[in-house]
Amino acid sequence: GAVVSQHPSRVICKSGTSVKIECRSLDFQATTMFWYRQFPKQSLMLMATSNEGSKATYEQGVEKDKFLINHASLTLSTLTVTSAHPEDSSFYICSARSQSYEQYFGPGTRLTVT
Amino acid sequence: SQQGEEDPQALSIQEGENATMNCSYKTSINNLQWYRQNSGRGLVHLILIRSNEREKHSGRLRVTLDTSKKSSSLLITASRAADTASYFCATDDRQGAQKLVFGQGTRLTINP
Repeated sequence: GAVVSQHPSRVICKSGTSVKIECRSLDFQATTMFWYRQFPKQSLMLMATSNEGSKATYEQGVEKDKFLINHASLTLSTLTVTSAHPEDSSFYICSARSQSYEQYFGPGTRLTVT
Repeated sequence: SQQGEEDPQALSIQEGENATMNCSYKTSINNLQWYRQNSGRGLVHLILIRSNEREKHSGRLRVTLDTSKKSSSLLITASRAADTASYFCATDDRQGAQKLVFGQGTRLTINP
């Protein structure tokens, strides 16, 4: 099946710093990628939809200036958590949508803000 | 926002038994997908069923879709310990067209 990678898999950063997470579709082109956040024992919450070459669409309640999304190519989207705080600690998961509308998910990035 | 409910929230059965999980949703959909997530890991795509389909099979998995009741079920037959995971349904609603909205998930435990 299609493969989506994320980097890094784990990151620990200090409060106030910024962290960039990469999401790549390895064997297919994805005009649309999605970013989700998942807190322990909860479901995935969609944060934003990332379209190649255009601005991301954010879900209600998600601060676009805090969670910067860039979809620079058909295989790469990045999420930058700016001025991170401990409450931003979470599991961030990206997905890439194939032309047949299936979504393939990355392995996730565990962010811990100290 | 969450699309709907999954039922049950947690399910514990013996190895070899069948496991059935249900999912309900609220809006009209293009398709519904089921995913598995092992603890602390990403999601694995299991199966996609389109709104004009009623049933779909993949190995030990059987998915049904009832658009009149806005519900779907996932059946895992002859369960194995390795099936222990959380299972989520996700819908691609017609208005949103692009984004998936996830149910709350069912935590399945298969006891050896």
